[in-house]
Amino acid sequence: DTGVSQNPRHKITKRGQNVTFRCDPISEHNRLYWYRQTLGQGPEFLTYFQNEAQLEKSRLLSDRFSAERPKGSFSTLEIQRTEQGDSAMYLCASSWGLAGVDNEQFFGPGTRLTVL
Amino acid sequence: GQQLNQSPQSMFIQEGEDVSMNCTSSSIFNTWLWYKQDPGEGPVLLIALYKAGELTSNGRLTAQFGITRKDSFLNISASIPSDVGIYFCAGQLPSWNQGGKLIFGQGTELSVKP
Repeated sequence: DTGVSQNPRHKITKRGQNVTFRCDPISEHNRLYWYRQTLGQGPEFLTYFQNEAQLEKSRLLSDRFSAERPKGSFSTLEIQRTEQGDSAMYLCASSWGLAGVDNEQFFGPGTRLTVL
Repeated sequence: GQQLNQSPQSMFIQEGEDVSMNCTSSSIFNTWLWYKQDPGEGPVLLIALYKAGELTSNGRLTAQFGITRKDSFLNISASIPSDVGIYFCAGQLPSWNQGGKLIFGQGTELSVKP
């Protein structure tokens, strides 16, 4: 399977714990995006990388959230001191693009986070 | 921030019927995309539109990029039970200044009665 993969698919944690999610993009894609989706809503942008550089972060991304893409391949999203409001589906998407050229984004299956 | 207005919010139709849904925005987008999402899964890309006025088909799906670049519609012809799911429109912001991120509509939930 050469699509976007995400692990774990489900995570249940207690409030105050730290969690980390992983995304493996389509191998030739240089751009990687994180989105968050709550029940009944469309996904909302969190942050994006072009290769290893994190180029934009949404205001939704509080200082408890951190994302990395150390070698320009897979990415991790960490949430520290989780709160119940962090419960959501976290989606990763990847695409290939050059300056001024935007291509379609392909999504992974998501990680469903439940904070108790 | 930018928002997309997607309608209808839900549709309940009979198998074999045609379906139409649309998205409007107060902002201009250079790219419109339509995705389908099943419960517990990520969105799956159906159609991408890159030019104002463009009409693109993918099997029983047809989508158009509005001439004003502020709207798009998706039609599904001869619906079948596996069309059930939530359909999202998304406008893509240019990467040179806004990261190429997607702005999503609220979704249209489609139910098909066999």
